[in-house]
Amino acid sequence: GAVVSQHPSWVICKSGTSVKIECRSLDFQATTMFWYRQFPKQSLMLMATSNEGSKATYEQGVEKDKFLINHASLTLSTLTVTSAHPEDSSFYICSAGRDTGPNQPQHFGDGTRLSIL
Amino acid sequence: QQQVKQSPQSLIVQKGGISIINCAYENTAFDYFPWYQQFPGKGPALLIAIRPDVSEKKEGRFTISFNKSAKQFSLHIMDSQPGDSATYFCAASSGSRLTFGEGTQLTVNP
Repeated sequence: GAVVSQHPSWVICKSGTSVKIECRSLDFQATTMFWYRQFPKQSLMLMATSNEGSKATYEQGVEKDKFLINHASLTLSTLTVTSAHPEDSSFYICSAGRDTGPNQPQHFGDGTRLSIL
Repeated sequence: QQQVKQSPQSLIVQKGGISIINCAYENTAFDYFPWYQQFPGKGPALLIAIRPDVSEKKEGRFTISFNKSAKQFSLHIMDSQPGDSATYFCAASSGSRLTFGEGTQLTVNP
């Protein structure tokens, strides 16, 4: 089956640090990837849609200068949390669909636990 | 109109019992309804999905029932096992953008 890999799985860093999270589709090419944020015991909230070769589309209320997304290839999207603060601590998850077009199954990575001290 | 309402928030069943989780939506443009299973510290994994042109889909112990007129769909887990203990999310989409329900924490007691 389709595999989406995220790295790192867990990061702890000091306030003010920038943190980069990678999302890779391992056995398929993904023109579109999605980034979600999940707080404990809550649902997944879509942050942005990452489009290969073009700018990401951010959801309302998500600061694009705070959460930088780069989708430079068909198998890699990165999310950089710039100047991270304790309130940015959360579980960040990416997803990708193997096939193009609407209503295709989304495959999720195992998430990145970000803890800002 | 983009919301998907999920209930119950938590559910406890005995091993061998049936677990039932319900979801309701408002946006009639939704045309794809997947269910995801998430274990602690892991990303969601696709369980089963349905499109609105069918009323039921079964895969192993998992069944989705879909009521288009009521804009409701549900997940039934037959012969529930302790290994099924996880958080379950329903979702809906039109296009590629998923909207998730609030989640149901299922506990199956041995």
